[in-house]
Amino acid sequence: GNSVTQMEGPVTLSEEAFLTINCTYTATGYPSLFWYVQYPGEGLQLLLKATKADDKGSNKGFEATYRKETTSFHLEKGSVQVSDSAVYFCARPYDKVIFGPGTSLSVIP
Amino acid sequence: DAGVIQSPRHEVTEMGQEVTLRCKPISGHNSLFWYRQTMMRGLELLIYFNNNVPIDDSGMPEDRFSAKMPNASFSTLKIQPSEPRDSAVYFCASTRLGDTGELFFGEGSRLTVL
Repeated sequence: GNSVTQMEGPVTLSEEAFLTINCTYTATGYPSLFWYVQYPGEGLQLLLKATKADDKGSNKGFEATYRKETTSFHLEKGSVQVSDSAVYFCARPYDKVIFGPGTSLSVIP
Repeated sequence: DAGVIQSPRHEVTEMGQEVTLRCKPISGHNSLFWYRQTMMRGLELLIYFNNNVPIDDSGMPEDRFSAKMPNASFSTLKIQPSEPRDSAVYFCASTRLGDTGELFFGEGSRLTVL
């Protein structure tokens, strides 16, 4: 089938801590993969993407590498800030975009 | 460039009333999605259109919900009659078929049914 599984939160970290949010997918072939972010009171917006296997997407200090051998696209950031507090969604397009359940991140000073 | 525009941003209504939510996709986009987001159920796809044609409405909860897309620049989601369990944030998103699949979201319509 076609699905996205991601680590569910909530996740609470101290400022400057290292962040990993796991995401794995099932798919036929090698689809593009996305991470979206939703800040409080806003809609989802694209954070980063990778369009083919072994690609690394990066933006705002976040990175994710498309690993076909483990069918994963884990989100990482070396040093989180309070402003990174948001909900993060892993997603992949199919005939419709398939979203993971979202991971809520709270960063405390 | 204008993004996806949704209205109203907030709606408070009483049970039994009709609610109409509106969406204007990004110009040039030809695929439009309606999502519902709640704390309990997360982000749910309700329906999506390609080239103004409904492709999959399996996420529409029941007959009280209906969606239309009369032209490429406008879509509505209607709830009649509304119930308290319909309280949620409703998002519209659009994309261009054949592109990478990135969705562009509106800011959402927060519905409260009393």
